[in-house]
Amino acid sequence: QSALTQPPSASGSPGQSVTISCTGTSSDVGGYNYVSWYQQHPGKAPKVLIYEVTRRPSGVPDRFTGSKSGSTASLTVSGLQAEDEADYYCSSYAVTDTWLFGGGTKLTVL
Amino acid sequence: EVQLVESGGALVLPGGSLRLSCAASGFTFSGYWMHWVRQAPGKGLVWVSRIKSDGSGAAYADSVKGRFTISRDNAKDTLYLQVNSLRAEDMAVYYCARDFNYGLDHWGQGTLVTVSS
Repeated sequence: QSALTQPPSASGSPGQSVTISCTGTSSDVGGYNYVSWYQQHPGKAPKVLIYEVTRRPSGVPDRFTGSKSGSTASLTVSGLQAEDEADYYCSSYAVTDTWLFGGGTKLTVL
Repeated sequence: EVQLVESGGALVLPGGSLRLSCAASGFTFSGYWMHWVRQAPGKGLVWVSRIKSDGSGAAYADSVKGRFTISRDNAKDTLYLQVNSLRAEDMAVYYCARDFNYGLDHWGQGTLVTVSS
């Protein structure tokens, strides 16, 4: 049960777009359309941004979009805002009937 | 409004045990799978366990298999995690979360388990 691979950090200026990658294998990200993304501010519980690769729960701005190609999923944050500064985690269902998380990406808004 | 409230976290000695609880409200608890996820201080999220809506189909991360047991009481709208043989590496905030199409759409605020002598 290895964690999914995310870059430890990402950054962008207000108004810009940033993409965070999440790499797995054919046994998890590549094998299922069950990738989700979470945002976590310091000291707070995680909040879901994306589920089933591309679906956004109600209330999540459409600035957040998800995609997948092969065994790599991506989260794109468009029109960066100061409040987007947070930790971001991807997650995927896996063939072993378990869930995997990525190590997390710290997004800095410059 | 969906609410998940964890409790039961405490300071325990290595080798000790605890039962964590997660009280659910604002939705039909018996209709959803539920998960436990943990986060060690300053570290990332780690999935721990899942239980299906009727209490069947428990699944565990390899790191806790044989030591942790997930269960639920649908009559009390409560999820549990029995944690035994605690190790230093089990020290974390433990979150319960509701499953929605294999994503976790609502999370509690977490309960802290500290393992130290």
